[in-house]
Amino acid sequence: DAGVTQSPTHLIKTRGQQVTLRCSPKSGHDTVSWYQQALGQGPQFIFQYYEEEERQRGNFPDRFSGHQFPNYSSELNVNALLLGDSALYLCASSFRSVRQETQYFGPGTRLLVL
Amino acid sequence: SQQGEEDPQALSIQEGENATMNCSYKTSINNLQWYRQNSGRGLVHLILIRSNEREKHSGRLRVTLDTSKKSSSLLITASRAADTASYFCATPTGANSKLTFGKGITLSVRP
Repeated sequence: DAGVTQSPTHLIKTRGQQVTLRCSPKSGHDTVSWYQQALGQGPQFIFQYYEEEERQRGNFPDRFSGHQFPNYSSELNVNALLLGDSALYLCASSFRSVRQETQYFGPGTRLLVL
Repeated sequence: SQQGEEDPQALSIQEGENATMNCSYKTSINNLQWYRQNSGRGLVHLILIRSNEREKHSGRLRVTLDTSKKSSSLLITASRAADTASYFCATPTGANSKLTFGKGITLSVRP
């Protein structure tokens, strides 16, 4: 049973560029949440997708957008990258229909913006 | 904003000793969860305690919850070098299991 997978593992971009990160949830899970974790900080909630719609959003600007596909996988897009967007981006999945409280995290994508 | 605040920020102990980490939170909760993160990788769920529970055990882990003080503690007994990691408390806030994390505690277990 595959856990949550994310790609790529590492990414280097320059300011102003755009980036797309990908996540495949744990088998059987239908909800995907994205978190940003700056160095030395706890993860910060970006948004959550369920049934291909954004259901909840944290305090992040519109430069951060996402998408969920019919197979429940998800993408996180960040436009007009800033140096401050350098962070570990974590994807987490859960099974919303049973109000599952535990979230399963992927290994993360480490983004460096130069 | 951070809901949970862990303390201490860093903890260094000898292998075999017990490690106690504390977490305080601000608003009422349905449950509180502890996660572990190794070397900036993904988070691993350790244990969940509900608001109507006071204590819970899982292997070498013991977690307590005091809702009157809005605090929780995580005890790792007989620590091992492999327990070296960052530990976070997290609470679901709002609907649909959005998690709010503290800043984390860095635990170093010396062999």
